[in-house]
Amino acid sequence: QVNLLQSRAALVKPGASVKLSCKASGYTFTDYFIHWVKQSHGKSLEWIGYINPNSGYTNYNEKFKNKATLTVDKSTNTAYMELSRLTSEDSATYYCTRGTTTGFDYWGQGVMVTVSS
Amino acid sequence: DIQMTQSPSVLSASVGDRVTLNCKASQNINKYLNWYQQKLGEAPKLLIYNTNSLQMGIPSRFSGSGSGTDFTLTISSLQPEDFATYFCFQHNSWPYTFGAGTKLELK
Repeated sequence: QVNLLQSRAALVKPGASVKLSCKASGYTFTDYFIHWVKQSHGKSLEWIGYINPNSGYTNYNEKFKNKATLTVDKSTNTAYMELSRLTSEDSATYYCTRGTTTGFDYWGQGVMVTVSS
Repeated sequence: DIQMTQSPSVLSASVGDRVTLNCKASQNINKYLNWYQQKLGEAPKLLIYNTNSLQMGIPSRFSGSGSGTDFTLTISSLQPEDFATYFCFQHNSWPYTFGAGTKLELK
C-alpha cells in the first residue's frame, strides 16, 4: 500500500534552517511528483511546490521560492524540503503528498515545525 | 493567483441531514476542482476529484457538481464520521490553491 512517512516534529530557532523528509513506499517513486503543502495552525492549506523525482525538476509557488528548496534521493525513495531563514510565520504543519493528474491522492502524516528561541 | 471562496465557513447539521457545501473560484478552472476532508490532527483525504469523480473507497453519499467557477459538494445523509472540515482545491493552474474550508459541525 502507498505510504508517505514524514520526519518527526522539529523545534528550530529563528534564522535557522530545517530539512524535512518524506519517505515513499508502496509504489514506483519516480512515477509520481511529490508536492508539499503548508498548513498554519487552524488555517487553510497552501501549496508550496513540487518536484519530479525522476528528473529533479521543481516548480514553486512564487510565495515560497526564497523559502523552500525541494530535492529527492532516488536511492532511498525520499523527498526533502529545506526551509531557510525561519521566522515565526514558518511555524506550521507541513505535508508531503503524491501528485497525480487528478490532484493529490496520498498524503504524509504531516510534520509540525515550531520556530522559537 | 486563483482565489477559492468557500461558503458557509461553518455549517451546523444533524446526522441524517442532506448538506451542500459551496466553492467559488475567482476565474474559470474548468473541471479541475477537488474536495478534501480533514479531521483534527489528520492529513486531508481526497473525496472527489475533477468536480464529480468519487475517489476509490469513498462512500457514495458524497457527490460533487459544478463547472467553470461554481462548485458544490453534497453529502446526501450525514453520518457521525462526516463531521470534519472540507476544503476545495483547484489544480487548473499554478499556483494551485485551496479554499479556506467549511467546518461541518454537529447541531
